[in-house]
Amino acid sequence: KAGVTQTPRYLIKTRGQQVTLSCSPISGHRSVSWYQQTPGQGLQFLFEYFSETQRNKGNFPGRFSGRQFSNSRSEMNVSTLELGDSALYLCASSFQGRETQYFGPGTRLLVL
Amino acid sequence: GIQVEQSPPDLILQEGANSTLRCNFSDSVNNLQWFHQNPWGQLINLFYIPSGTKQNGRLSATTVATERYSLLYISSSQTTDSGVYFCAVERFGETSYDKVIFGPGTSLSVIP
Repeated sequence: KAGVTQTPRYLIKTRGQQVTLSCSPISGHRSVSWYQQTPGQGLQFLFEYFSETQRNKGNFPGRFSGRQFSNSRSEMNVSTLELGDSALYLCASSFQGRETQYFGPGTRLLVL
Repeated sequence: GIQVEQSPPDLILQEGANSTLRCNFSDSVNNLQWFHQNPWGQLINLFYIPSGTKQNGRLSATTVATERYSLLYISSSQTTDSGVYFCAVERFGETSYDKVIFGPGTSLSVIP
């Protein structure tokens, strides 16, 4: 069974631009969660989607948004990028809840 | 919001040694998880343990929810155990955004 895939793996953007990251979960998994990891703030939970609905949300501004498609693939979008958005963005999939999550390799975003 | 602390922040072990990592949290939680991030950034979900004890091979975890701490035990450590160990707590039904909070992590280095 293929693991969680994230695209792109690396991305360089400039301030003010927007970016869309993609996550393909393990086949059959319906829950996708997104996390941000930075040296300063550590790991932070962004949001979780289940069956195309946002089920949980972390404490991030509205510039961070996401969605999930009927095939469970998920995208997250960050608009009006700031330098502080430079981070490793991880997604994880699970069958239903977040008890057993499988993580993708992450997308490393650099904002210049 | 909930504060999560982990100790020790850094740990160096000789291969074969045992270790105990601790996670303290400041308020009651509904869920607690342990994660391992290897030196290449891959994150793995180790335990979902809101209370009680679980074991998986050389790793085991115990959460004493009433006393607001969890312990992760690593026995007969191997070099592949190196990396950062995170605990994360969650409160259900919160209207605030402090729903999933990660600790700062314990960085473990296992030396041959």
